[in-house]
Amino acid sequence: AQKVTQAQTEISVVEKEDVTLDCVYETRDTTYYLFWYKQPPSGELVFLIRRNSFDEQNEISGRYSWNFQKSTSYFNFTITASQVVDSAVYFCALSENTQGGSEKLVFGKGMKLTVNP
Amino acid sequence: DSGVTQTPKHLITATGQRVTLRCSPRSGDLSVYWYQQSLDQGLQFLIQYYNGEERAKGNILERFSAQQFPDLHSELNLSSLELGDSALYFCASSVGINTDTQYFGPGTRLTVL
Repeated sequence: AQKVTQAQTEISVVEKEDVTLDCVYETRDTTYYLFWYKQPPSGELVFLIRRNSFDEQNEISGRYSWNFQKSTSYFNFTITASQVVDSAVYFCALSENTQGGSEKLVFGKGMKLTVNP
Repeated sequence: DSGVTQTPKHLITATGQRVTLRCSPRSGDLSVYWYQQSLDQGLQFLIQYYNGEERAKGNILERFSAQQFPDLHSELNLSSLELGDSALYFCASSVGINTDTQYFGPGTRLTVL
């Protein structure tokens, strides 16, 4: 079955530090999608990014950047110049094809980031 | 704001009771997904509906059931509640049946006493 591993469970940094969140996945699907979601203390799950398994281009969006390495099943997420508002739990997720022809998400355990002023 | 709404925000009930969680998807989305987030199991997929039909099932207990109505809103029914059912229940929606981003609602926090 599909599996997502976020080895880091908790990281604490000081504001303006860069921080990288690691994600390693296992899948038997030939086509799949990878996601990062953010869960701030208020509890909602906020979508950050979706990547297609065919697209290994790294992506930058403001202070966020993503590095996808299909050969090593690695999809990490870097926050540059972290801010207190970045404090949240970050989840990496992988799409899994179902028998009904749809997809579900398989989530990692999450990584709690605390950014201190 | 993802555009997905869930009610109620919080629910406190007793063991053995039955509750209904409600979800309205984003405008135009046909798929609704239910996920459970608990401390020991993490985020787990429960069930998916697409345009009123069940399309995928995850680790959903037999005591739990769901449906999607013609107006595309969905309800998750939890019965014979146990202490271990206490969790955050998320609804997500997407445009199609697959390859689309799932946008999550704010969740319903269920506490079973």
